[in-house]
Amino acid sequence: SYELTQPPSVSVSPGQTASITCSGDRVGDKHVFWYRQKAGQSPVLVIYEDTQRPSGIPERFSGSNSGNTATLTISGTQSMDEADYYCQTRDSTTAVFGGGTKLTVL
Amino acid sequence: QVQLEESGPGLVKPSETLSLTCTVSGYSITSGYYWAWIRQPPGKGLEWIGSIYRSGTTYYNPSLKSRVTISVDTSKNQFSLKVTSVTAADTAVYYCATVRQTWASWFDPWGQGTLVTVSS
Repeated sequence: SYELTQPPSVSVSPGQTASITCSGDRVGDKHVFWYRQKAGQSPVLVIYEDTQRPSGIPERFSGSNSGNTATLTISGTQSMDEADYYCQTRDSTTAVFGGGTKLTVL
Repeated sequence: QVQLEESGPGLVKPSETLSLTCTVSGYSITSGYYWAWIRQPPGKGLEWIGSIYRSGTTYYNPSLKSRVTISVDTSKNQFSLKVTSVTAADTAVYYCATVRQTWASWFDPWGQGTLVTVSS
């Protein structure tokens, strides 16, 4: 079955750029979606189709996807961005989520 | 805009059947989109359970397929989830969500989630 691998944790200082990776076999050939989940809340879509930002998501959120790695980038990270982030794609039979990355802003 | 709300028992006994309903408001299920169930065990990641289209066509996670049934009731603008023969491993927050394109594209929005505990 297809797997997506994320680092368990990423730390960033306020105002700096955070990059969260999502690795999978030829993931660049698939569309990747990203979700933010704050503590005690439901996941919220922040990037769809690799690079598209839904309405209401700040411009500091961006995405890329090539080769075996998709990346979520948060520019000018703010304390409010502290959350768990999940990538997602699909293979022929299953919607697949990465294991999640805890972003700490300190 | 689309809003979803899960409902159902919060406690289920081992070997019994877990049943949840998702009520959709602000949008008619018959208008389109796919509809999905996703779960998250306490402190763990997300797992897609399955998706359904307004026609009743279903798509299931192969790892759960033998125990899962998703159905849709267009007259009530609801869709439902049943998981049979539950064990403690099925303890999780269960979310329903709108699937924006095909059966497994992006999920947006999500319901608030409901915790289901499997315990005697």
